[in-house]
Amino acid sequence: DQQVKQNSPSLSVQEGRISILNCDYTNSMFDYFLWYKKYPAEGPTFLISISSIKDKNEDGRFTVFLNKSAKHLSLHIVPSQPGDSAVYFCAAFGGSNYKLTFGKGTLLTVNP
Amino acid sequence: KAGVTQTPRYLIKTRGQQVTLSCSPISGHRSVSWYQQTPGQGLQFLFEYFSETQRNKGNFPGRFSGRQFSNSRSEMNVSTLELGDSALYLCASSWGLAGASEQFFGPGTRLTVL
Repeated sequence: DQQVKQNSPSLSVQEGRISILNCDYTNSMFDYFLWYKKYPAEGPTFLISISSIKDKNEDGRFTVFLNKSAKHLSLHIVPSQPGDSAVYFCAAFGGSNYKLTFGKGTLLTVNP
Repeated sequence: KAGVTQTPRYLIKTRGQQVTLSCSPISGHRSVSWYQQTPGQGLQFLFEYFSETQRNKGNFPGRFSGRQFSNSRSEMNVSTLELGDSALYLCASSWGLAGASEQFFGPGTRLTVL
């Protein structure tokens, strides 16, 4: 049972444009959401997070939006740069099991 | 400050063998979590150890086990290896429980089972 879903395995955008990565979750007990970025041959690195009491969090070029009623969050990268090309994982935390649940990831390719 | 280190980085085993992977967390971090990454399944949670106690466990068979030592270093063991165990095994450390505090990942151990 996939509680965190990233339905797009890959996304390709042009440099300078906006990248939008989407994530859906099913467990209404999740109250904290994170995005991780992973380059090949490296472990994931934390990118940005959002608590369920907020609907938006910004950090430089990265903005995460949370729509609790739709159980949906998205990561916006503006402007996209070739160095942003990586796999992006959405993760959620909360509920009674206190474990971090990851989606399957979306491979973002930013073309120069 | 040194990051999370994992040894070995690469490992090749045959079916039926057992394997032990090691993870050294960032100094001061008390939580170590283990994840399995495969192309089709993304990152799947194996277990988390906090102060030498297993705090949480994912949906993996009993062949997967782990432990944490008093210095917070952790080991993961997989017995009776199967072809499907071929994956990247990632370890992550955090000061507090995973999810409640930022996790820092190691580079992973690439296990290939032949």
